[in-house]
Amino acid sequence: NAGVTQTPKFQVLKTGQSMTLQCAQDMNHNSMYWYRQDPGMGLRLIYYSASEGTTDKGEVPNGYNVSRLNKREFSLRLESAAPSQTSVYFCASSDLWDSGNTIYFGEGSWLTVV
Amino acid sequence: KQEVTQIPAALSVPEGENLVLNCSFTDSAIYNLQWFRQDPGKGLTSLLLIQSSQREQTSGRLNASLDKSSGRSTLYIAASQPGDSATYLCAVPGGGADGLTFGKGTHLIIQP
Repeated sequence: NAGVTQTPKFQVLKTGQSMTLQCAQDMNHNSMYWYRQDPGMGLRLIYYSASEGTTDKGEVPNGYNVSRLNKREFSLRLESAAPSQTSVYFCASSDLWDSGNTIYFGEGSWLTVV
Repeated sequence: KQEVTQIPAALSVPEGENLVLNCSFTDSAIYNLQWFRQDPGKGLTSLLLIQSSQREQTSGRLNASLDKSSGRSTLYIAASQPGDSATYLCAVPGGGADGLTFGKGTHLIIQP
């Protein structure tokens, strides 16, 4: 019963470095999401994917790119990390949640950019 | 743009008390509202999901109500326990598959 799995759990980057956060879900959900959580700001949507092959910007997409590799996997890439991207990142998945299905979150990835 | 506000931001009460957490949202055209729990260093766990056609949902000691017309929801926790200590967040959908809009949460501490 893995649910939503994110890797890595912790990462320290230097300014300007690149990295990819990986996310996989085993619930056969169509929709997947990337959020960031910052103190005092709450959770904010970075990008989402309504279905395999589609991606859309959320509230705070600048500095990030995403790839919906297949139905299971949705990755988030930082091309040139900046200290402002220090945050906790959460991947989530759901299926037709506006029809009453819940959304499931991964355990989070703690990213520090120095 | 949908905005979600949670009051209070933090709450500390002795064990055994009943308590109410509040959530308000600016756009009442929502499909549902969801309450989550977040433990330190962990992801979010869904507690209750209320459909727009429902007035309330119950799970054990938790009861969530929804008043769409006034843009409010409450989470009632009965007979609080130290294990209830966590951050509680409410969220409403943005429409379609474009994710949820979250409140900033209520940090709850239950004193033994």
